[in-house]
Amino acid sequence: AQTVTQSQPEMSVQEAETVTLSCTYDTSESDYYLFWYKQPPSRQMILVIRQEAYKQQNATENRFSVNFQKAAKSFSLKISDSQLGDAAMYFCAYRSRARNQGGKLIFGQGTELSVKP
Amino acid sequence: KAGVTQTPRYLIKTRGQQVTLSCSPISGHRSVSWYQQTPGQGLQFLFEYFSETQRNKGNFPGRFSGRQFSNSRSEMNVSTLELGDSALYLCASSPRLATPYEQYFGPGTRLTVT
Repeated sequence: AQTVTQSQPEMSVQEAETVTLSCTYDTSESDYYLFWYKQPPSRQMILVIRQEAYKQQNATENRFSVNFQKAAKSFSLKISDSQLGDAAMYFCAYRSRARNQGGKLIFGQGTELSVKP
Repeated sequence: KAGVTQTPRYLIKTRGQQVTLSCSPISGHRSVSWYQQTPGQGLQFLFEYFSETQRNKGNFPGRFSGRQFSNSRSEMNVSTLELGDSALYLCASSPRLATPYEQYFGPGTRLTVT
């Protein structure tokens, strides 16, 4: 079974600075997706960024980028130029590409990010 | 396009009762998944429906059940409620099953069992 681990329950960053959130996962599969989701106090889960395992190039979405190390099974999220609106719980998630797994997401425990003005 | 909607947003029930939660996916989306979020267990997958059929199921007792209608709307039911069922229940929709498309989440239903 696949597992996702986020070892940092809480992180803090100064506004305009850069912060990196860590995520490791365990799987025997070679093809899968990895995601970072953001959950603000409103509890609405918002997709931040997605990475396909077969792509070596790290995904980037504006101020958000990932460092995907497939061999190490590591998938960290870097937030550049942090803004107050980035404060939220961040979840790392794994999704198999096996057809019998459908769209099932396996989530880490989350990292609470606070942004200081 | 309207997002995923969930009703009700908040619910208080008593132990032993049953509850039904509803999820309307984004128009055109045919796959609906349900997740339970608690402080202790985090986010856990409940089940996934596509074309009115359950395609995948998480590790939850039989008290948790669901269904999907022909318009893709989905309901989940929890019978004989326990205090531990208090949680935020999230549903997510996607266009198809097992596609590279990401899932879009609804705002959740907060269930409190007393």
